[in-house]
Amino acid sequence: EAGVTQSPTHLIKTRGQQATLRCSPISGHTSVYWYQQALGLGLQFLLWYDEGEERNRGNFPPRFSGRQFPNYSSELNVNALELEDSALYLCASSRRGGREYTEAFFGQGTRLTVV
Amino acid sequence: AQRVTQPEKLLSVFKGAPVELKCNYSYSGSPELFWYVQYSRQRLQLLLRHISRESIKGFTADLNKGETSFHLKKPFAQEEDSAMYYCALSGGGTSYGKLTFGQGTILTVHP
Repeated sequence: EAGVTQSPTHLIKTRGQQATLRCSPISGHTSVYWYQQALGLGLQFLLWYDEGEERNRGNFPPRFSGRQFPNYSSELNVNALELEDSALYLCASSRRGGREYTEAFFGQGTRLTVV
Repeated sequence: AQRVTQPEKLLSVFKGAPVELKCNYSYSGSPELFWYVQYSRQRLQLLLRHISRESIKGFTADLNKGETSFHLKKPFAQEEDSAMYYCALSGGGTSYGKLTFGQGTILTVHP
């Protein structure tokens, strides 16, 4: 079974540009989560999508947005990039979010560097 | 607000020695606690969760609501246990997707 896949592996952008990160969940998983791992800040929850809807959002500005497609894959968009957006962005998926626990499986991450 | 604190960034032990990775949390309700592990060049993966009360790879963790702690323990550390360990909390219910992670502890087990 293929794991959670993220693309690209590395992304270099200039300040002010937009970045798009992609995530393909494990087959059968309908929930996708995004986390940011910035240096010195640890893993911080960004967004949670389930069945195409945004279910929860972390404490990030609106320029961090995303969507989930009918095939449950997801995009994370970061607009007006700032230097401090440089981080490893992790995607995770699970069978179903919400009222009962299902284990989240993580991808390898996309390393975003803003210069 | 929910918060997870792992006071030790680095922890070094010798093979065969007991190891304890500390985790304290702050949450007003009844949280669910997890330990995640990331071995070198591998993905972050779930090690154990408090509800299952399992022992995974010899590791156990007990939720102490009085002390708001969820320390990870292993009686005899092995070299292959060397990794980054994260304690995480979920508020449960409709918030299972939102994990709050601690800063992580790098465990090094020396031969």
